[in-house]
Amino acid sequence: DAKTTQPPSMDCAEGRAANLPCNHSTISGNEYVYWYRQIHSQGPQYIIHGLKNNETNEMASLIITEDRKSSTLILPHATLRDTAVYYCIVRSFGQNFVFGPGTRLSVLP
Amino acid sequence: DTEVTQTPKHLVMGMTNKKSLKCEQHMGHRAMYWYKQKAKKPPELMFVYSYEKLSINESVPSRFSPECPNSSLLNLHLHALQPEDSALYLCASSQQGGLTYNEQFFGPGTRLTVL
Repeated sequence: DAKTTQPPSMDCAEGRAANLPCNHSTISGNEYVYWYRQIHSQGPQYIIHGLKNNETNEMASLIITEDRKSSTLILPHATLRDTAVYYCIVRSFGQNFVFGPGTRLSVLP
Repeated sequence: DTEVTQTPKHLVMGMTNKKSLKCEQHMGHRAMYWYKQKAKKPPELMFVYSYEKLSINESVPSRFSPECPNSSLLNLHLHALQPEDSALYLCASSQQGGLTYNEQFFGPGTRLTVL
């Protein structure tokens, strides 16, 4: 079973920041938080991952709370092309990825 | 080359047919994966190959038969499928076997319809 909880859907205005929350209250010390997204009828796309420090790359920022029980994926300036299902996955060394239902993000013009 | 390719994009087959799905990557990755994704559901892991050896079979029925001829290729042979096997079949690869924190790179998938 997935170890994360995400809202089933969210809307965001184009050009605004999209903040996608993820709850992983049972995360253990060696488990990383990964984010993937899946645009309609395409394969999932890796976005970012982190352990406890905040991370940023060209696609997004990942903010992990100090107790590591939740995190937020931030898309700083959402575009229509960011409309997708976003998956938050918790995974440790030697484990496979287990996808939960994810959050369906709709970026609105 | 930083992508995973899958062929065909679409496949329609009857329940008595034999067909194969193909996946290819040229990133030097040593782990490859098959996932199945039903409509409006998340992907579910089927098989994992690590260093060209089958390391995980998630209790998949024998009508699905994976094959890894070399480190760049992964096939999924299909025989006597059922209509409920209709789904998007995704291939992925990662730099090393499952015992790492490496991210997985996914192909675009093959949309399979079983009549």
